[in-house]
Amino acid sequence: GNSVTQMEGPVTLSEEAFLTINCTYTATGYPSLFWYVQYPGEGLQLLLKATKADDKGSNKGFEATYRKETTSFHLEKGSVQVSDSAVYFCALRGLGAQKLVFGQGTRLTINP
Amino acid sequence: DTAVSQTPKYLVTQMGNDKSIKCEQNLGHDTMYWYKQDSKKFLKIMFSYNNKELIINETVPNRFSPKSPDKAHLNLHINSLELGDSAVYFCASSIEALNEQFFGPGTRLTVL
Repeated sequence: GNSVTQMEGPVTLSEEAFLTINCTYTATGYPSLFWYVQYPGEGLQLLLKATKADDKGSNKGFEATYRKETTSFHLEKGSVQVSDSAVYFCALRGLGAQKLVFGQGTRLTINP
Repeated sequence: DTAVSQTPKYLVTQMGNDKSIKCEQNLGHDTMYWYKQDSKKFLKIMFSYNNKELIINETVPNRFSPKSPDKAHLNLHINSLELGDSAVYFCASSIEALNEQFFGPGTRLTVL
């Protein structure tokens, strides 16, 4: 079945550091890929998405590129802020499927 | 304006009790979902309804029964609560099943 594996956290960085959170997936065909963010005490919010190979999703300075050859969708940001502290979830939706399959989440803490 | 709302936000109850969590969305979406997030932040779908009809029913104990009185509401009733039911439950909605899902703020259920 479909699955998503994220880099284990927690991840702690200093403000303005470069961020990478790794995400790899297993799926048949061409799934849609997503990054969701969960700020403390809140529900999940869609951060960015990509629906086909080589697509790049971007939002709020975050980027992720759909790499079919490596089955990856790594999240990157060039300069993180304290306000980026949250839990980040990578997810996929299989072709024609109706449910999201989530990775285990990565807790990110940014120190000033 | 609240898009997807859940009540209550916190629910503390004794083992063996029956409880309900309510979800409402004012986005005009036709598909709604329930997810369970365990203590390790792992997020997994439980149910999905499209136009009041059940379309996803994962392997969930039959003590859990979703009810959709109309397209804007999807309630979750849990009978004979067990310690392992303690988790955060998220409601979500989307326009049709293949589009972006919007999440509610979550209901933290604690079973003592």
